[in-house]
Formats: sequence, C-alpha cells, structure tokens
Amino acid sequence: DTGVSQDPRHKITKRGQNVTFRCDPISEHNRLYWYRQTLGQGPEFLTYFQNEAQLEKSRLLSDRFSAERPKGSFSTLEIQRTEQGDSAMYLCASSLDVKIHNEQFFGPGTRLTVL
Amino acid sequence: DQQVKQNSPSLSVQEGRISILNCDYTNSMFDYFLWYKKYPAEGPTFLISISSIKDKNEDGRFTVFLNKSAKHLSLHIVPSQPGDSAVYFCAAEAGGTSYGKLTFGQGTILTVHP
Repeated sequence: DTGVSQDPRHKITKRGQNVTFRCDPISEHNRLYWYRQTLGQGPEFLTYFQNEAQLEKSRLLSDRFSAERPKGSFSTLEIQRTEQGDSAMYLCASSLDVKIHNEQFFGPGTRLTVL
Repeated sequence: DQQVKQNSPSLSVQEGRISILNCDYTNSMFDYFLWYKKYPAEGPTFLISISSIKDKNEDGRFTVFLNKSAKHLSLHIVPSQPGDSAVYFCAAEAGGTSYGKLTFGQGTILTVHP
C-alpha cells in the first residue's frame, strides 16, 4: 500500500497519560499535515511540516501537544497529560508541493479515547 | 467562528437522481475550494476542486459550482449511485503564507437509495 499510513488505528488511555501517534506519508511527499476531527465536525488543522521544518501551529495545539518530523519522512504527534477533551480522531495528510494548491492525501486516522 | 459551513447535516436521494450539496464560506481570503468524500473507518478522499478564478469545474459525474459574490459553492452529482453514500466535506484554502492549510465544513451525510 503506497498511501498514507497511521499507527495505531485506535488508542485508549487514561487521563493524565502520554500518548504518541505515528504517521508515514506517501514517500515522495514533502508536506505533512496533522488534523483533528471530533464527532459531527470536519477536520481541524493542527500543524504542518515542509520537509522537517514545522511551519505553522494552530492555536488548538496547546503546550501539551508536540509534533516532529525529524528526517522529513515520518512524523509523530505526542500528547502529554491527556485530558478527556483530547478524545478525537487524529488525521494525517501529505502532499507534494509542486504548485500553489496541492491535493492532500489523508491517512485512515488514529482514534483516541481518553477515559 | 465557523469559516466554512455546510448547513445540511444530511441528504437523501434516489439512485439516478441529482445530489446537490451546498457549502458557504465567510473568509474572503479563500481562493481554492475542495470537496472530500469520507467512508467510515477511512480518511477523507479528494474528490474535486475549484480555483476562485473559475465558476465551474467538472469531473465525470461530479461538478462543482462557485459563486464568489455569494461566497457559496455546491457539488452536483449526476446521476447519483448507491456507492456515493458517504460523508462529504467542503474545504477551503487561502493563498499566501496560509496555503496548504485547509479549513473544513462540518460535513453532509449523503445517502443514495437504490
């Protein structure tokens, strides 16, 4: 499968625990995005990378959230001291930056449940 | 504030008829618009897009119309098929330093009945 993959697909954790999600983009894609989707809403932008550089972070991304893309390939999203409000689907997308607007390809998402 | 709105949470259509999904936006900086389709347990899949310099874009059974003065776009699916049943998201993108950052609507659940 040459699409965007995310791991794990589901994560259940207790409040206060740390969690880390991984995203593997399409191999030649230089842009990688993280979005969060809650029930009944569309995806909300969290952050994105151009190669290994993190270019923008949403105000939704509190200090408990950190994202990395160390070698410009896969990315991790870590949430520290999880809260029940962090329960959501976390989506990763990637694109090849060749023109002004580029199609983003989404992974299947990681569903986080915080008890 | 919801900059992209899909005011119809759901739409039910008979197979073979036209499906029309609507989307409104408020941010004048948006210059590119996209529709994504999402099946359960999968990520959104790109369907069709339109630049603000156009008012119509077609791809097979799918046509997107853009009315910039009304800040409104719509997706037409003709003819509708049962396999089109999914959640449809409208998304918008601004140019300049914000390019690549998509703002999504809440989604519309389309059900096409055989």
